Amino acid sequence: QVQLVESGGGLVKPGGSLRLSCAASGFTFSDYYMSWIRQAPGKGLEWVSYISSSGSTIYYADSVKGRFTISRDNAKNSLYLQMNSLRAEDTAVYYCARDSALYSSSWFISPWGQGTLVTVSS
Amino acid sequence: QSALTQPRSVSGSPGQSVTISCTGTSSDVGGYNYVSWYQQHPGKAPKLMIYDVSKRPSGVPDRFSGSKSGNTASLTISGLQAEDEADYYCCSYAGSYVFGTGTKVTVL
Repeated sequence: QVQLVESGGGLVKPGGSLRLSCAASGFTFSDYYMSWIRQAPGKGLEWVSYISSSGSTIYYADSVKGRFTISRDNAKNSLYLQMNSLRAEDTAVYYCARDSALYSSSWFISPWGQGTLVTVSS
Repeated sequence: QSALTQPRSVSGSPGQSVTISCTGTSSDVGGYNYVSWYQQHPGKAPKLMIYDVSKRPSGVPDRFSGSKSGNTASLTISGLQAEDEADYYCCSYAGSYVFGTGTKVTVL
């Protein structure tokens, strides 16, 4: 079955950097767009970024543009999120999720990984 | 993009129906048929319940249904069950994604 496992979360000081990873299995990774979504403690969901199946198309939320970089390695079935210049408001559980299939006419996010907690605090 | 607007909470007794609204603009909800809904139980990852406004993924009970009129989408849960108590989020795709503010469904 489809499995998404995030790693790399932890405690980091404001201004610091962190790289999240997501290991995918159970589906043809290179056939799907992939997304990162976050959820601050006790708050709602916020879409962060997505990357196309080939990596040629990338979009970011305005709140992370210029600070976060999404990437993927299709040979390793892995998705990444490089987070720089971190702020307290970036504190959240970060979810990796499968996005639209290549050539699909539908846009939705499913399934989701279990998430990894990023805490930005001094 | 601004978050889509949802009621903070809705409630109903077992067996009743509840409807959650999700209001956006003509640039997101009203402009595309890419509205999806997610269910999230405490401490768990969100789960897709509805996509493309009204389509149900396999395994999702037919008690869950979706619709859209203008800039407002809706999720209806018919025959409410205890396990339906959770947070629900709508989401619209319009080149990028925007989520709703979330609604807590309480089963009385």
